[in-house]
Amino acid sequence: EAGVAQSPRYKIIEKRQSVAFWCNPISGHATLYWYQQILGQGPKLLIQFQNNGVVDDSQLPKDRFSAERLKGVDSTLKIQPAKLEDSAVYLCASSLVFPIYEQYFGPGTRLTVT
Amino acid sequence: AQSVTQLDSQVPVFEEAPVELRCNYSSSVSVYLFWYVQYPNQGLQLLLKYLSGSTLVESINGFEAEFNKSQTSFHLRKPSVHISDTAEYFCASSPMNSGGYQKVTFGTGTKLQVIP
Repeated sequence: EAGVAQSPRYKIIEKRQSVAFWCNPISGHATLYWYQQILGQGPKLLIQFQNNGVVDDSQLPKDRFSAERLKGVDSTLKIQPAKLEDSAVYLCASSLVFPIYEQYFGPGTRLTVT
Repeated sequence: AQSVTQLDSQVPVFEEAPVELRCNYSSSVSVYLFWYVQYPNQGLQLLLKYLSGSTLVESINGFEAEFNKSQTSFHLRKPSVHISDTAEYFCASSPMNSGGYQKVTFGTGTKLQVIP
């Protein structure tokens, strides 16, 4: 079974530029999550989709971050414009609806904003 | 609101020695509890979980964790560590009965360094 795929693995941009990350979840997983992991901290949930609907985006900085999940499969997370404090690893995870408690994580995208 | 505290950011231990990684949680509702492991340059993997029932849960590679409701703790232990256990370990919680979706709160992680 293929795991969660993410690209790119690494990205370096200047502040005020835009960037997009892509995630392909495990086949059949209806629930998809985007997390932000800042160095020295645990992952923080940014947004959660169930199929292509948003169920939780309470911690997403909506003035600069956006995410979509078209057709309930792949997802993209965008930052526009980026700030220095956005430097982090962006993790994508997916899970079945039932049981919902076992999330499978991708390798992450390491973003550096200079 | 939920919170998860891992007081030890790094734990060095000699190979074949026992180890305990501490985790305390805070929540106004009942929670599920998890330990995730992150090996270098890899994504997080679920190591073990407490959902209900027996308070002692085990993983396939010799780790165990015990849910202690009175102390709001879920410490991770292994009686004898191997070099291959070197990784970062994250404790996490998620409220039960959260309306059909899961909201996980992670701790800040503990880096386990096994010394040969």
